[in-house]
Amino acid sequence: EAGVAQSPRYKIIEKRQSVAFWCNPISGHATLYWYQQILGQGPKLLIQFQNNGVVDDSQLPKDRFSAERLKGVDSTLKIQPAKLEDSAVYLCASSLARWDTRYEQYFGPGTRLTVT
Amino acid sequence: GDSVTQMEGPVTLSEEAFLTINCTYTATGYPSLFWYVQYPGEGLQLLLKATKADDKGSNKGFEATYRKETTSFHLEKGSVQVSDSAVYFCALSDSWGKLQFGAGTQVVVTP
Repeated sequence: EAGVAQSPRYKIIEKRQSVAFWCNPISGHATLYWYQQILGQGPKLLIQFQNNGVVDDSQLPKDRFSAERLKGVDSTLKIQPAKLEDSAVYLCASSLARWDTRYEQYFGPGTRLTVT
Repeated sequence: GDSVTQMEGPVTLSEEAFLTINCTYTATGYPSLFWYVQYPGEGLQLLLKATKADDKGSNKGFEATYRKETTSFHLEKGSVQVSDSAVYFCALSDSWGKLQFGAGTQVVVTP
């Protein structure tokens, strides 16, 4: 089966510009996650969707970050305006169900964002 | 809140050496525990997991045992290969599936 797809793979922008990332989860996966991975650190959950509803966005900087998951499939994560500290790899993951840890989270290749 | 602490890297080993990466956690409730691996240029992959105390997860020669009494989930492999060079992440999941990752440990295996 096809894995989690993300685009673009790399993005370089200047601070105060906006950027958007796209994720297509594995077909049939109800739960979608966006993580931020800063160099030298483990991934940090930004937002978690169950179908097209948000179930956890407690660590999303809502003044500049937004995310949506239209029709419970694809998702976009947007940053507007970007700051230097947003330089990181943004990972998308999906799983069949969030309440059962028997269901593995599958990760996409990530988008590496550099803010200059 | 929940947290994961793992040993800092890089860990440099010769091929066929024994590998141990320490991982300890702090959590309320009864988390599930995971090891993820990130090979150069690739995404995160689940390596193994354990969902309750005393469970042993194993895959590709790697093993880790869920030790509730010491709140640990140390990763071990008896004989590493060059292809095991990667960054290894310990993680825990609460009952809602939210993953909390450690900082990662880079492992470098030399021929």
